[in-house]
Amino acid sequence: TQLLEQSPQFLSIQEGENLTVYCNSSSVFSSLQWYRQEPGEGPVLLVTVVTGGEVKKLKRLTFQFGDARKDSSLHITAAQPGDTGLYLCAGSGGGSNYKLTFGKGTLLTVNP
Amino acid sequence: DTEVTQTPKHLVMGMTNKKSLKCEQHMGHRAMYWYKQKAKKPPELMFVYSYEKLSINESVPSRFSPECPNSSLLNLHLHALQPEDSALYLCASSSQQGALNQPQHFGDGTRLSIL
Repeated sequence: TQLLEQSPQFLSIQEGENLTVYCNSSSVFSSLQWYRQEPGEGPVLLVTVVTGGEVKKLKRLTFQFGDARKDSSLHITAAQPGDTGLYLCAGSGGGSNYKLTFGKGTLLTVNP
Repeated sequence: DTEVTQTPKHLVMGMTNKKSLKCEQHMGHRAMYWYKQKAKKPPELMFVYSYEKLSINESVPSRFSPECPNSSLLNLHLHALQPEDSALYLCASSSQQGALNQPQHFGDGTRLSIL
């Protein structure tokens, strides 16, 4: 069974601060997705990373996929209240069914 | 706006009722998924349909019955649910089940409350 350990589970910061969320596994993933979910809505895809060592930027968000494709990080620069939400990492493995393995999520609150 | 549409947005039902949740996508995706999500937890996979055939059932109780009438529609029929089934039910789709680098796109879910 593949597992994704996501940390921290909860994060409360002030507007303007930087933060990093981590997802780690002992398993190799074919690709990894990051989602943000706001209350009352479904998860919204932020990015997919597929190549070991890949770095993708989305405005103030920087996503990195580890060289060995076992871990990933999400870094937010100068967080804003609109960044508040549940951040989920999800990995697609190399198994026959390609089920998504979700991390437990990081509940981020950015205070004005 | 999400490209996966779920109805209804909210549903309250008694334990003896029968109801259905609906999901629709027009992205040409051939894989569709049902997930159950409790508050502040990640989604838990229930069912996967691939090319309109059920390919994964995650040992879901028979009071949940999925149906895929065509490549754009996915239903979840509910009967004799329990209070612990109260949750957000999410539908998702992807271009193919198992296709590398093809992420799942989620709807906004149906908030289900069992009285």
